[in-house]
Amino acid sequence: RKEVEQDPGPFNVPEGATVAFNCTYSNSASQSFFWYRQDCRKEPKLLMSVYSSGNEDGRFTAQLNRASQYISLLIRDSKLSDSATYLCVPQNRDDKIIFGKGTRLHILP
Amino acid sequence: SAVISQKPSRDICQRGTSLTIQCQVDSQVTMMFWYRQQPGQSLTLIATANQGSEATYESGFVIDKFPISRPNLTFSTLTVSNMSPEDSSIYLCSVEGVSTDTQYFGPGTRLTVL
Repeated sequence: RKEVEQDPGPFNVPEGATVAFNCTYSNSASQSFFWYRQDCRKEPKLLMSVYSSGNEDGRFTAQLNRASQYISLLIRDSKLSDSATYLCVPQNRDDKIIFGKGTRLHILP
Repeated sequence: SAVISQKPSRDICQRGTSLTIQCQVDSQVTMMFWYRQQPGQSLTLIATANQGSEATYESGFVIDKFPISRPNLTFSTLTVSNMSPEDSSIYLCSVEGVSTDTQYFGPGTRLTVL
């Protein structure tokens, strides 16, 4: 089983819609979780951390389900500028973070 | 968050040559990492750059091919040795935040090997 699995997409979503991504991870010892955003031909940038209690940052909501080992990201009122690849990133105890291929999102005008 | 710069930002190299990539951070950090991202692929950890000691390499990566230096807490280099076209990739330096366990990335070095 891959360490991180995400639906690669692309998700083609009209502007203003709500879109959700899920991600599963295989290492139950993962300590911390993050969502990164990567624009085409750019480095990944931290979008938000994912806490056990869930967290919200503006239009973005992240949830963690440790029992099922999945992480979700919800984007409300999507903007054209949200078009990017979203990377789900668990971090293990030894500080190594594991990247999957990410989910590509295209927001359509 | 740390400000990270990399040099060069891109290069085109001939097969069999070597390229050294530099990573500079604007503050002292404990953990520095080197990743690569091949076209259409996810980021792959090459190694952890340890200050004052040999780097820790991930499976599939060896010191002879990717020698790494970390002379202090703000600087590291990665050398891609004896390059082949398969080494064409984006190479990214990453650091761990001082007060958080999040990672921040440099802008990357885009390498093309002919």
